[in-house]
Amino acid sequence: ITLKEAGPSLVRVTQTLTLTCTFSEFSLKTTGVGVAWIRQPPGKALECLGTIYWNDDKRYTSSLKDRLTFTKDTSRNQVVLRMTNMDPLDTATYFCAHFSSSSSFWLDPWGQGTLVTVSS
Amino acid sequence: EIVLTQSPATLSLPPGERATLSCRASQTIINYLAWYQRKPGQAPRLLIYDASSRATGIPARFSGSGSGTDFTLTISSLEPEDSAVYFCHQRYDFWTFGQGTTVEI
Repeated sequence: ITLKEAGPSLVRVTQTLTLTCTFSEFSLKTTGVGVAWIRQPPGKALECLGTIYWNDDKRYTSSLKDRLTFTKDTSRNQVVLRMTNMDPLDTATYFCAHFSSSSSFWLDPWGQGTLVTVSS
Repeated sequence: EIVLTQSPATLSLPPGERATLSCRASQTIINYLAWYQRKPGQAPRLLIYDASSRATGIPARFSGSGSGTDFTLTISSLEPEDSAVYFCHQRYDFWTFGQGTTVEI
């Protein structure tokens, strides 16, 4: 299983960030499978942004739920993150990660991450 | 939100020594804890899940223990390639992470 994040490295303040996680060797049509989005601001701890499941259920971290949207495209093996109204505090490395019931829902594996800088 | 506090922040040890990393949860998480290793430019790698189960392909020198609120990752005999940041992660209530321990060999 592999995952790779892609998107802009620089986003302007108030713009919308769109990141794509492209994965292989698993399907988001399979029961029990999901993808999580996690980010890590420079010098700070990792933060789970939320999850999207095979049945299209989604869960967002409460502090960002009004700004986040996850969608999946099972034909392309992709998950898309959209975050509106970007702020410099959203500067971070963004990761996507696979989880499934067969591996007790632990995040494994992860993508390498993509650094997003928010600037005015 | 469950807060995970890791200690120490940095651990510097010579090869062959034993490393003990701590992760403390702000409330009980039973055994819903995992440990990951992250090296610069690489994806985080799952080492230990369910507090004490070693992930596939992880060397036996890595072990995890603990339950409730206090957890430990032990590297029994440090190898140069073990230089990395190690962080803990709970999934008992949503998902949160510790701030990480940097291990320098």
